[in-house]
Amino acid sequence: DAGVTQSPTHLIKTRGQQVTLRCSPKSGHDTVSWYQQALGQGPQFIFQYYEEEERQRGNFPDRFSGHQFPNYSSELNVNALLLGDSALYLCASTPPGTSPLNTEAFFGQGTRLTVV
Amino acid sequence: QKEVEQDPGPLSVPEGAIVSLNCTYSNSAFQYFMWYRQYSRKGPELLMYTYSSGNKEDGRFTAQVDKSSKYISLFIRDSQPSDSATYLCAMSPGGSYIPTFGRGTSLIVHP
Repeated sequence: DAGVTQSPTHLIKTRGQQVTLRCSPKSGHDTVSWYQQALGQGPQFIFQYYEEEERQRGNFPDRFSGHQFPNYSSELNVNALLLGDSALYLCASTPPGTSPLNTEAFFGQGTRLTVV
Repeated sequence: QKEVEQDPGPLSVPEGAIVSLNCTYSNSAFQYFMWYRQYSRKGPELLMYTYSSGNKEDGRFTAQVDKSSKYISLFIRDSQPSDSATYLCAMSPGGSYIPTFGRGTSLIVHP
């Protein structure tokens, strides 16, 4: 089992550009959450997708959008990139019927985005 | 003031030491408390979780929650060099299962 896979591993973009990050959840998982982890900080929740719809959203601007496909994979899109968007973007997946503690969430290794 | 405060360290200890990692929080609604370990260039992995106050033990790891003081701890006994990583505390209120993370404490266990 490959676990949660994210692509690309690293990415460099110019301020003002748009970026798309991809996530394939662990086999059997149907819910995908995205987090932003700035250097030296903990992950911050961006949004969660379930049944191809955004179920919950954190305190992030509309420049951050996402999508979930019928095979449960997901994309994170960021428009009009700012220098402050430089961070590690983490994807986490959870299986159906997960307990409230989200104890079965698995994180990918992340995509390191650098905006210059 | 952040909802979850965690000293970033680094905390450097010799192999075999007992390690104490701590977080404080301000949101009384938090009911679920978690500890994650994150190795360099990896995503976080869940170590332990507790609900409300009390202690929980799992091998060399013990998690404690004191809701009256809004203070949680993770103890690591007989620490090993392989325990060297960043330890993130996280917590969430009942009804909303999205965790709020601390900034993480960097732990270095030297042989």
